[in-house]
Amino acid sequence: EAGVAQSPRYKIIEKRQSVAFWCNPISGHATLYWYQQILGQGPKLLIQFQNNGVVDDSQLPKDRFSAERLKGVDSTLKIQPAKLEDSAVYLCASSSVRFANEQFFGPGTRLTVL
Amino acid sequence: AQSVTQLGSHVSVSEGALVLLRCNYSSSVPPYLFWYVQYPNQGLQLLLKYTSAATLVKGINGFEAEFKKSETSFHLTKPSAHMSDAAEYFCAVSERGGADGLTFGKGTHLIIQP
Repeated sequence: EAGVAQSPRYKIIEKRQSVAFWCNPISGHATLYWYQQILGQGPKLLIQFQNNGVVDDSQLPKDRFSAERLKGVDSTLKIQPAKLEDSAVYLCASSSVRFANEQFFGPGTRLTVL
Repeated sequence: AQSVTQLGSHVSVSEGALVLLRCNYSSSVPPYLFWYVQYPNQGLQLLLKYTSAATLVKGINGFEAEFKKSETSFHLTKPSAHMSDAAEYFCAVSERGGADGLTFGKGTHLIIQP
């Protein structure tokens, strides 16, 4: 079974530019999460989707971050405009009740904002 | 609100020695607790989880953790360290068994000395 796929793996942008990340969860997993992992810290939940609906986006900086999961499968996370403090690894995870809600993580996208 | 504290950002042990990584949690409800491992440039992998069934939880790669409610702790141990155990380890807490977003600690970098 294929794991969670993310692209790109690395991205370097200038501050105030826009960037988008893509995630393809494990097939059949209804729940999808985006986490932000700043260097030296643990991952922090940004947003959780159940199918194509948002379950929790309380920690998403909505003035610059947006996310969507059209058709309840893959998802995109966008930052517009980026700030220096957005430099981090963005992790996508997915889960299913069939597997006791264990969250399976993708390899992440490392964003550097200059 | 829930939180996790991992004592020691870096832990160094000799190969063959006992590994002990400390985790204390705070939760307003009976918690679900997790340990994840992260190898360089990879996503997080679940080592083990506590779901209130048994206080001593055995995981993959010879790791285990004991839930102690009185101490609000969930420390991770392994009797004999191997070079391949060198990685970043994260403790996490959830109120809904992982069906919600996880709250992670800051992580502990495990160094194995030959």
